[in-house]
Amino acid sequence: AQSVTQLGSHVSVSEGALVLLRCNYSSSVPPYLFWYVQYPNQGLQLLLKYTTGATLVKGINGFEAEFKKSETSFHLTKPSAHMSDAAEYFCAFEANQAGTALIFGKGTTLSVSS
Amino acid sequence: DTEVTQTPKHLVMGMTNKKSLKCEQHMGHRAMYWYKQKAKKPPELMFVYSYEKLSINESVPSRFSPECPNSSLLNLHLHALQPEDSALYLCASSSYRGNTEAFFGQGTRLTVV
Repeated sequence: AQSVTQLGSHVSVSEGALVLLRCNYSSSVPPYLFWYVQYPNQGLQLLLKYTTGATLVKGINGFEAEFKKSETSFHLTKPSAHMSDAAEYFCAFEANQAGTALIFGKGTTLSVSS
Repeated sequence: DTEVTQTPKHLVMGMTNKKSLKCEQHMGHRAMYWYKQKAKKPPELMFVYSYEKLSINESVPSRFSPECPNSSLLNLHLHALQPEDSALYLCASSSYRGNTEAFFGQGTRLTVV
């Protein structure tokens, strides 16, 4: 079965510290992978995506992620956390296959303390 | 214009009411989606329309009825809902299925009383 797993439902960091949010996928066909952010009572905003090509993907707000096929991972990082980064983060997956749609991981809540 | 607009933002309805949620995009996208999101949970896919045709129905109860009148509009008709249907309903669109990101609206916060 095709799925995406986010490790850690809650991550807490200090302002200025490295942010690392983990995502692993399971798929028998090439995946398209996305990271979305959701602020309270709002919709989802795309941070970055991997489809094909370069495995290191840069996104908005200083975030980046690296697609590692050998590890079936797509972890999200940011070198220095900001208070405004506190939000819910979702890793999402879509199989490159007809009849599929975007599937979300369970989400990781990022807390940033001063 | 990279917006997906959902109306209303908030809706309270009784279990015997009929109401509709509306979603509009003007990005020329040909795939549109309805998701349901409960508190502290990820969005769950409900329906997918591709080129105005229903292509995925994730075994959603018949009290939810989607409609895609044209390539810019997506409706979700609600009838005889249950309190457990209270959730944030998100609409999204993408240029086509796969390989491109989905743009999400701000959602409709639905409360069934």
